[in-house]
Amino acid sequence: DGGITQSPKYLFRKEGQNVTLSCEQNLNHDAMYWYRQDPGQGLRLIYYSQIVNDFQKGDIAEGYSVSREKKESFPLTVTSAQKNPTAFYLCASGNSGTGYNEQFFGPGTRLTVL
Amino acid sequence: AQKITQTQPGMFVQEKEAVTLDCTYDTSDPSYGLFWYKQPSSGEMIFLIYQGSYDQQNATEGRYSLNFQKARKSANLVISASQLGDSAMYFCAMREGNNFNKFYFGSGTKLNVKP
Repeated sequence: DGGITQSPKYLFRKEGQNVTLSCEQNLNHDAMYWYRQDPGQGLRLIYYSQIVNDFQKGDIAEGYSVSREKKESFPLTVTSAQKNPTAFYLCASGNSGTGYNEQFFGPGTRLTVL
Repeated sequence: AQKITQTQPGMFVQEKEAVTLDCTYDTSDPSYGLFWYKQPSSGEMIFLIYQGSYDQQNATEGRYSLNFQKARKSANLVISASQLGDSAMYFCAMREGNNFNKFYFGSGTKLNVKP
């Protein structure tokens, strides 16, 4: 089955630690995205990547880093510089063939900082 | 200014009735796309419907239709014949013009379908 996988589903981190969230897609999509969702709020874009080895900052990139070494993978690192990292993180992918008119989302990772 | 505004934090609808979820948007770009997503309590985002700014007709997908009023900059979602499984958060989103990689999301509307 084609789709997007995110791991882990739940993640706990101590303050001051970096943590990496995994996102993999087997849809052969060009573009991948990371969003953050806080309780009762919509999604905010952290980073996006249209092609391998290239990525752009979204609206709330501070304290986060990404890499895109492979088309199918777009890991997100939450660094200790992120002041309030507890949130729900969603990864998505999109296809240039549809003009990016649809984003497919993964199941999300819920990060809690202890 | 907010790019996407959803003014209804919560809505109730009786099963089998229709419901309209409001969405207004703000852009000066003549080319844009509007989207609706459903987010059940499990957290995944499910794409429902898409409307392009140059589309002449309102988009429809099964029980979902998008009431696109360009002059008013509104893109309301209409769900016909509501089902209990429709209970979820609903998000309106917009993609602007030449940046096909940047999406803006509203704050969402929580829909509860009553039996």
